Amino acid sequence: AQSVAQPEDQVNVAEGNPLTVKCTYSVSGNPYLFWYVQYPNRGLQFLLKYITGDNLVKGSYGFEAEFNKSQTSFHLKKPSALVSDSALYFCAVRLPMGAAGNKLTFGGGTRVLVKP
Amino acid sequence: GAGVSQSPSNKVTEKGKDVELRCDPISGHTALYWYRQSLGQGLEFLIYFQGNSAPDKSGLPSDRFSAERTGGSVSTLTIQRTQQEDSAVYLCASSSQHPGVSNQPQHFGDGTRLSIL
Repeated sequence: AQSVAQPEDQVNVAEGNPLTVKCTYSVSGNPYLFWYVQYPNRGLQFLLKYITGDNLVKGSYGFEAEFNKSQTSFHLKKPSALVSDSALYFCAVRLPMGAAGNKLTFGGGTRVLVKP
Repeated sequence: GAGVSQSPSNKVTEKGKDVELRCDPISGHTALYWYRQSLGQGLEFLIYFQGNSAPDKSGLPSDRFSAERTGGSVSTLTIQRTQQEDSAVYLCASSSQHPGVSNQPQHFGDGTRLSIL
């Protein structure tokens, strides 16, 4: 079975400071990893993914994430947070060969609050 | 281009009634997914359609839930004899996913907020 953990329910950061949202995963085999963001009353919006290759993945809106196989982590980062980054962030994992029907398994979500 | 479209955006109904939720995926996307988002359970997978293959129904919580996808495009999720615990946001997603390959991101609609009185 695959699982994803986001240990922080909420992250508070001042505008202009670095933002980190933590994610760890448990899966048999090599995972595909994704980050999504959700704004109020909206669906999930894709930010970035790790499939293979460079461990540092760059995505939308200045976000990046680092895949660490030994620590089974995929933390989301942004060097300088904006107030508009305040939202709910989800980490998700998927098995490469569709053994689980290509479904995404999500973490519980982390609410990010960026204060001016 | 147009994204994933879901209707209605909000639905309020009485316990015991049947409801139908609709999803229009992105044109050309062969894979379609339904998820449920609720306060207590987070985001849960419900069902997955890929082309003309038999759907993966492994996430459906009970036999009151069913879904179909007509013509490989529009999908309808039906909940029969609704219960209060069915109250949630139902999200649909689609992707340009080929069978056996799972590296494409899923694109989500804005969801249907279902409230059972």
